[in-house]
This record gives sequence, structure tokens and C-alpha cells, in this order.
Amino acid sequence: NAGVTQTPKFQVLKTGQSMTLQCAQDMNHNSMYWYRQDPGMGLRLIYYSASEGTTDKGEVPNGYNVSRLNKREFSLRLESAAPSQTSVYFCASSPNFGTGGYGYTFGSGTRLTVV
Amino acid sequence: KQEVTQIPAALSVPEGENLVLNCSFTDSAIYNLQWFRQDPGKGLTSLLLIQSSQREQTSGRLNASLDKSSGRSTLYIAASQPGDSATYLCAVLVGSQGNLIFGKGTKLSVKP
Repeated sequence: NAGVTQTPKFQVLKTGQSMTLQCAQDMNHNSMYWYRQDPGMGLRLIYYSASEGTTDKGEVPNGYNVSRLNKREFSLRLESAAPSQTSVYFCASSPNFGTGGYGYTFGSGTRLTVV
Repeated sequence: KQEVTQIPAALSVPEGENLVLNCSFTDSAIYNLQWFRQDPGKGLTSLLLIQSSQREQTSGRLNASLDKSSGRSTLYIAASQPGDSATYLCAVLVGSQGNLIFGKGTKLSVKP
């Protein structure tokens, strides 16, 4: 099925461990995004990639790094996980950056717990 | 800074009722507004997209309106069903950053 695929779906980390969340889209979209969703806070943008080869910080980038590996793939890395990074992480994509004609498509999420 | 507010935070209705979910935003300089549905433990499913130049969009029993000048959108659900139970999220696209700004959602429960 066409869409946005995230792996893994669930992960438990110990404080200080590192991990990479993977995201791939097969819709030939130019722009990709990482959001986190926390109770009472809604979804907040961590990083985005307007096009292949570019990445920019969103609202809550501290503690994260990203890589736009190619047009299809956009990964999110936690270098030293902290309990405050316990959250549900969503990857999304859109045809182009900052235009109104098309909506975002979201993946099913990664549920991360840092203990 | 753009802020998106959704009222009510939670809503419980009997099956068959028509209902309205509200979304307001503080800055009218948006490119579009998107309504999503989120089931417990699941991802976001796009329901309707309204471009800034449009007034409304319809899909089946769903109708979304947009009044950009007043910073408001409503999602109308006709003849609600238990399968409509979910959290509904409103989000606006802020053009200068290409960032989708979300409200905190309305949790809908439709009782049989």
C-alpha cells in the first residue's frame, strides 16, 4: 500500500542509549517531517526536510538529529535518550513544502519509552 | 505565533446525532486547513483538506467549513455512528515555514 512506513512500531530504551527511527515514503513526495505527540501537548514538529538534501529545525529539535538519506527516506536519531523523549513519534510527507494544494500523509507512529 | 484551539476537548453523543466540532486559529495567514482522525494507538488519517481560497469541503457524512477571516473552521458529522468514535485533530499550514500546526483534538465518543 502506498504511504508512509515507520520502523520500529515500539521501542524501549534505557537512559543514555541511542537509536534511529526510520521513515520511508513511496509517493514521490519532496518534503518530509518528524513530529512528536505528547498527552496534553498535541503534535509538535521536531525537524523537517523541505527537499532532498536539506533539513531544518522545527519547534522542538533539542536532543535529536535527522538525515534525509534520499528522496524516499528520512531518519530521526536520538544520540543519548532521556526520559523526556518518551513519546509517540510520527513521520509525515507532503508533495511540496509550504504550498496549500496538498495535505500531509502520516505514518502509523513509533511508540518510544525511555526508562 | 500561530495557535490552534479545538473545542470541546471531549464530546459524547448518542448514535444518530448530527454534531459539530470546532477549531479556531489565531493568525489568518494560512495556506490550508486539514482535519484528521486518530484512533487510539494509531496514526493520523486525513479526512478533509480545505485550501485557503475555499469555503468548505465535503466527503460522505463529513463537511468542513473554513472562515479564514474570523479564524474558524467547523467539522460537521451527520448521522453519527459508533465507528466515528475517535479523536479529531485540526491543523493549519503556516506558509512561511511550511509547518503544520495542530490543535490538541476533540475526543468523540458515539454511544450505540
